[in-house]
Amino acid sequence: NAGVMQNPRHLVRRRGQEARLRCSPMKGHSHVYWYRQLPEEGLKFMVYLQKENIIDESGMPKERFSAEFPKEGPSILRIQQVVRGDSAAYFCASSLGQGVYEQYFGPGTRLTVT
Amino acid sequence: TQLLEQSPQFLSIQEGENLTVYCNSSSVFSSLQWYRQEPGEGPVLLVTVVTGGEVKKLKRLTFQFGDARKDSSLHITAAQPGDTGLYLCAGVSGLGKSTFGDGTTLTVKP
Repeated sequence: NAGVMQNPRHLVRRRGQEARLRCSPMKGHSHVYWYRQLPEEGLKFMVYLQKENIIDESGMPKERFSAEFPKEGPSILRIQQVVRGDSAAYFCASSLGQGVYEQYFGPGTRLTVT
Repeated sequence: TQLLEQSPQFLSIQEGENLTVYCNSSSVFSSLQWYRQEPGEGPVLLVTVVTGGEVKKLKRLTFQFGDARKDSSLHITAAQPGDTGLYLCAGVSGLGKSTFGDGTTLTVKP
């Protein structure tokens, strides 16, 4: 009964490097969501993807951030030229469909930019 | 922009006490979900409420969705130290986008 998997769980990058965060949805789920969480805050929506399509990227910063969910393989959240302000926990969730379908979260990737 | 406000932000109580956490918005949602998150982990879904006025019970937890589907409450009876965590509400739009509140950090002291 594999849930949503994310790797790595912890990622340390120096300023200017690239960070790649991976998310494998639950079996049978084709909808993936990415969220960012700062300490003691709620989750902020970043992007919603379906296989090979970006459905809603209204929460994504305009620069340096990109996301994809290819036909085969995990969803990738990519952050180029990381800055200290990118340090946060990044969570991925998956669902069977959109609307009232429930989202199930992975354990998150904690990104630290030094 | 849809916003969800949770109150209180922090709550510290003694074991055995009752508590209520609120989630309010000016927007209407297709459904509303409550999650519990422990440090270092992802949120875990507790319940989904869909119908205005709906009440769901999960052991000592009672969830209510407002008649207008804009607000919700979570009531915990006889809180236990194991209830400690961050409680998040999330409103889901018809397009599947979830808007999260900033959460209520609950600490239950033995």
